[in-house]
Amino acid sequence: DGGITQSPKYLFRKEGQNVTLSCEQNLNHDAMYWYRQDPGQGLRLIYYSQIVNDFQKGDIAEGYSVSREKKESFPLTVTSAQKNPTAFYLCASSMNRGTEAFFGQGTRLTVV
Amino acid sequence: QKEVEQNSGPLSVPEGAIASLNCTYSDRGSQSFFWYRQYSGKSPELIMSIYSNGDKEDGRFTAQLNKASQYVSLLIRDSQPSDSATYLCAVTRGDSSYKLIFGSGTRLLVRP
Repeated sequence: DGGITQSPKYLFRKEGQNVTLSCEQNLNHDAMYWYRQDPGQGLRLIYYSQIVNDFQKGDIAEGYSVSREKKESFPLTVTSAQKNPTAFYLCASSMNRGTEAFFGQGTRLTVV
Repeated sequence: QKEVEQNSGPLSVPEGAIASLNCTYSDRGSQSFFWYRQYSGKSPELIMSIYSNGDKEDGRFTAQLNKASQYVSLLIRDSQPSDSATYLCAVTRGDSSYKLIFGSGTRLLVRP
């Protein structure tokens, strides 16, 4: 069953901790994206990757890091440097740049 | 000026009416345009993609693109209460980055 899998669905983090959000796709897509959504807001681009071993900062990359060691995987680490990490995090992928992007189910991160 | 602008709404229409959702974008070089539907608490799902000027129809949905005016719209015919959601416009930036940028969304309410 092809698709994009994000895990976990809910995540709680203590202040000062780093956490890693998982995103895996089996669609053979080249491009992958991470977005952040705050309540009542649109999606803001954190990082994106168009090919393996390459990624670029989006508009709000500070306090986040990513890796793209495999085509199928694009994990996002929310570091302690991110001051307001509580949000809904969405991972997406597309066949290649400029084509339709499809989303995973999202991870809701809460700082406690 | 935001790269992708949408009226936040809510846009309220009676059941069976045509709902018209609008989006403007600032990058004249943008090549790819998408409409997503997002239900509360869920991830966005792709409704329509459009790449060239004119209209593109898919069932009850019609996307319209006017690159000269930097304007893209979505028409929903025979609106149903199940269409009540937030509609997100997304545009691929026209430079080599191909960043996928989202508007903040328009909330649509379809009254039974």
